[in-house]
Amino acid sequence: DADVTQTPRNRITKTGKRIMLECSQTKGHDRMYWYRQDPGLGLRLIYYSFDVKDINKGEISDGYSVSRQAQAKFSLSLESAIPNQTALYFCATSDSTHGGREQFFGPGTRLTVL
Amino acid sequence: GQQLNQSPQSMFIQEGEDVSMNCTSSSIFNTWLWYKQDPGEGPVLLIALYKAGELTSNGRLTAQFGITRKDSFLNISASIPSDVGIYFCAGPVASGTYKYIFGTGTRLKVLA
Repeated sequence: DADVTQTPRNRITKTGKRIMLECSQTKGHDRMYWYRQDPGLGLRLIYYSFDVKDINKGEISDGYSVSRQAQAKFSLSLESAIPNQTALYFCATSDSTHGGREQFFGPGTRLTVL
Repeated sequence: GQQLNQSPQSMFIQEGEDVSMNCTSSSIFNTWLWYKQDPGEGPVLLIALYKAGELTSNGRLTAQFGITRKDSFLNISASIPSDVGIYFCAGPVASGTYKYIFGTGTRLKVLA
């Protein structure tokens, strides 16, 4: 079984709809991250959480919110989706007790906003 | 803000050829990471570098931490079709943090 799972894997929605992307991990890691990937732009950090009570904005947090429901779960919400949020979204985890440098990525969610 | 520029953006190579790519930063890094993303997958860590001048290998892959601490290089020897994918460099946003900035990626396509 995958250590970092994301649901859904693909989603098509309309402008103005509320969308939630979910991430779960069985690695026991304390740190979790949400990134978006756009062609030619690499991966950009949206939000990150270093433990259940810690939530921090990344470089492109506008239009997004997150919730760390448990150590193993970190969800990303788009309150009112817009077309330029069409992208590939990745969740990642890392373990601070082992240096925390390596991040383990989920398989991604492809989101299309029409 | 910080930027990581990767070169080349994409490349086609013949199977068996060696590949070189690099990553440059506008600021000094104390860690460099190289990831590979296979089509339809999330990135996977290939090599981590922790000090200037360090040269580290992982099979046919070799990465170097530039002595200026503003660049890093990744070489792939004797490329094979499964080397296809996007290669990303990454470095910490600030020393001692575990927030990373990723480069724009080098897309590698191998011609059999």
